[in-house]
This record gives sequence, structure tokens and C-alpha cells, in this order.
Amino acid sequence: EVQLVQSGAEVKKPGESLKISCQGSGYTFTTYWIGWVRQMPGKGLEWMGITYPGDSDTRYSPSFQGQVTISADKSISGSAYLQWSSLKASDTAIYYCARLSIMGATGSYFDYWGQGTLVTVSS
Amino acid sequence: DIQMTQSPSSLSASVGDRVTITCRASQAISNYLAWYQQKPGKVPKLLIYAASTLQSGVPFRFSGSGSGTDFTLTISSLQPEDVATYYCQKYNSAPGTFGGGTKVEIK
Repeated sequence: EVQLVQSGAEVKKPGESLKISCQGSGYTFTTYWIGWVRQMPGKGLEWMGITYPGDSDTRYSPSFQGQVTISADKSISGSAYLQWSSLKASDTAIYYCARLSIMGATGSYFDYWGQGTLVTVSS
Repeated sequence: DIQMTQSPSSLSASVGDRVTITCRASQAISNYLAWYQQKPGKVPKLLIYAASTLQSGVPFRFSGSGSGTDFTLTISSLQPEDVATYYCQKYNSAPGTFGGGTKVEIK
């Protein structure tokens, strides 16, 4: 069974750094792209970017380029990561990881989702 | 980048009603269009991909159509458990932009 398990909720202060994770299991982790999706409080879904654990190729939405770093490790039961170097209050949101459905292809939809990680940034 | 525009942003309908949500892409995307359902407080769930292919396990009252720039999601007979926000997403290339969402409520 495919599962994506995300790290727990975080409460941070503005200016702090943060790295959240998404561990995949039940499939060959290195052969499917993993993406991150933001959902701000009461708002819609925003596609942030995707990464391919097999070779670390990463694509960002222009809206998030330079604001976050997406990465993954290559181990078979590995994890994808989303990190910030300096958080802002406006980063408060739920962040979902999700798997792209077609092995090796960027042009595919999200078929499996993590449970979400709530990040709260407040002074 | 291609923009995805959904309408309406919200709707209220009675149980048993036929409900239609539209999604328009700012450029042609062939049939690279998915629909997701997000119930309150829950994780988004894939309903339809390739514009009209029902994901396994999704009730047959859900259907999708369209190609190019104009797409629709139809619920043939609205049920109480369909209360949710529905999102379209284009996925032909990165970024895989989502539409703004349509909130469906029961009248």
C-alpha cells in the first residue's frame, strides 16, 4: 500500500528556519516525482514544486522559486523535504506532499497525498 | 504560466440535484486535467484524471468532460457526503496549477 507520512506540526517564530519531511513507502520511492502543495488558512491549493528523488531534479512554481527549497534523498525508503531559511508569518499554512502518478513523468496528476503538516509562524 | 479559472466559486444545491462546475485554462492543455475533492478538514482526494477518467473507487455520479481549454465536473445526483470544495488542476507541464476551487453545499 502506497503511503506518504509527513512530519508533525511545527510552531516557529519569524526568521527561524524549518525543514519538514515526507516519507514514502509501499513503492519504489526513487522512481516517482514528489510534489508539495500549500494551503493557507481558508484558502485553496497552491502547487509549489516537485522533485525527483532518483536524480534530485527539481521544478518550482515561479511563485515559490527562491522562497523555499525542495529536496529528497535517494534511499529506496527515503524522504522528500521542504525547507525555509527564514520563515515569515505569511508562511503559516498546511503543507501537503503528494506523489505524481506516472513513474518518472512530470506531466501527471497527484494520486497519493500525505496527511499534511501544519506550519504556524507567529511571534 | 497557464492560469486555471473555476466557476462558480461556491454553489448551494438540493440533494438529488445535478451539479456542474466549470474550469477554464488560459491556454490549451489537451486533456491533462484532474479534479480533486477536499472535504472540510481532510486531505484532497483525486476524483478524475485525463479530464474524464474516474479514479478507482469514486462513485459513478461523478463525471468529467472537456478538452483544450474548457472542462466540466458533473455530479449527477448530489448527495450529502458530496459537501466539499472541488479543485481542477492542469498537469501537462510544471507548474501544475490548481483552479481556485468551488465550494459545494447542500441547500
